[in-house]
Amino acid sequence: ETGVTQTPRHLVMGMTNKKSLKCEQHLGHNAMYWYKQSAKKPLELMFVYSLEERVENNSVPSRFSPECPNSSHLFLHLHTLQPEDSALYLCASSPTSGGRETQYFGPGTRLLVL
Amino acid sequence: AQTVTQSQPEMSVQEAETVTLSCTYDTSESDYYLFWYKQPPSRQMILVIRQEAYKQQNATENRFSVNFQKAAKSFSLKISDSQLGDAAMYFCAYRSAETSYDKVIFGPGTSLSVIP
Repeated sequence: ETGVTQTPRHLVMGMTNKKSLKCEQHLGHNAMYWYKQSAKKPLELMFVYSLEERVENNSVPSRFSPECPNSSHLFLHLHTLQPEDSALYLCASSPTSGGRETQYFGPGTRLLVL
Repeated sequence: AQTVTQSQPEMSVQEAETVTLSCTYDTSESDYYLFWYKQPPSRQMILVIRQEAYKQQNATENRFSVNFQKAAKSFSLKISDSQLGDAAMYFCAYRSAETSYDKVIFGPGTSLSVIP
C-alpha cells in the first residue's frame, strides 16, 4: 500500500468515550502532521512531529493526545471530546527538511461526537 | 504571523471554459513557497501546483497555471479547459522556507463547481 492511510474512515463516539485515530505513511517521510478540518474554516494545524519528536502543538486541548512511535505511524488519542470537536481529521506527511517537497495527505477520519 | 485569504467561497465555470481562483497572503518573509491544493468531494487532498517565491516565472502544470505577483502578495490559479473532474474545494497555502519542517498555512478554500 502506498501513500498515507488513515483508519478508521468514519467514527462516531460519545463524549465519555476513548478512541484513537491511526495514520500510516509509506513514503519514507520523517515529518507527520494532524490537521482538523471543520466546515467553512481553514485547516487547523494541530500537531507536528519531526523525526518522532513533537515540534509544534498549536494550543490544542488536552483531550487530544498525539503519539508518534516511529516515523511511519502517528496516532491521535481522543478522550472526553465535545460536540464541537466533530470534524474531518487529516493526517499528512512530508520530508523533514525544507525545500520544494510538500505535504501528502491521507483521506481523513470523519469524526462525529454525540 | 502569516495569513492566507481566499475571497471567493464559491465559484462556478462552464465545462471547457477558463476560471481563475484568487488568493492573497500576508508575510514579512522573503523566501517561501505557495501551493494550490485540490480536495474533491470525499476524496484525498492533492497538490495541484506550487510556486517558489524566488522564481519570477509563473508555474504551470498542464491545464493549471498561476499568476504570482510577489509585490502584491497575490497568487491566483487559472484552470483552462475546465473538466467535470475539476469540481472540488481548492485551497491556497503558504509555507515558509525558513523552518526545517513543513508547516503549511491554508486559506479557507474556494468551492468550484463545473457546469456541464
